[in-house]
Amino acid sequence: DGGITQSPKYLFRKEGQNVTLSCEQNLNHDAMYWYRQDPGQGLRLIYYSQIVNDFQKGDIAEGYSVSREKKESFPLTVTSAQKNPTAFYLCASSPPGTSLHEQYFGPGTRLTVT
Amino acid sequence: GNSVTQMEGPVTLSEEAFLTINCTYTATGYPSLFWYVQYPGEGLQLLLKATKADDKGSNKGFEATYRKETTSFHLEKGSVQVSDSAVYFCALPERGSNYKLTFGKGTLLTVNP
Repeated sequence: DGGITQSPKYLFRKEGQNVTLSCEQNLNHDAMYWYRQDPGQGLRLIYYSQIVNDFQKGDIAEGYSVSREKKESFPLTVTSAQKNPTAFYLCASSPPGTSLHEQYFGPGTRLTVT
Repeated sequence: GNSVTQMEGPVTLSEEAFLTINCTYTATGYPSLFWYVQYPGEGLQLLLKATKADDKGSNKGFEATYRKETTSFHLEKGSVQVSDSAVYFCALPERGSNYKLTFGKGTLLTVNP
């Protein structure tokens, strides 16, 4: 089945450790996104990638890094510089030939840092 | 810039009741409008969209009409089910961006049997 997969579903880390969240899609989508969701809030964009080897910072990129070496994969690293990393992280992608505003989401990874 | 305001929840209904979740927007021009749904513990799913004024988006029994006169995009369903319990987000493009979305804060719907 085609779709967006994020793993793991739950992730626990100690403060001061970097952690990488996986996002894979087999939909042949070019554009991919990372969002952060906090309780009672809407989504906030962390990073955006339109094509392989290209990505742009979103509204809250500080303390995060990404890579886009393959079309299918867009991993997000939460670094120790991120002051408040505990959150629900969502990856998304957009089909070719449609508006980039039409976005399809993965199931998310809930990160807890203590 | 563009923005959306959703009715605050939570909304609690009995099964088969009529649902309305209000969404009003402020925007330059007539951008596309979206409703997303997030079931417990999951990511968001695109529920429906409307790309121009007076369009009606529909999916899974849900409908929303793009009304420029009232700058609204209210989500409706004639008869809700327990399985509709979720958080619903209204969204529109951020002004001047070809990829950024501005999301509302979400409305939690709980449907009781």
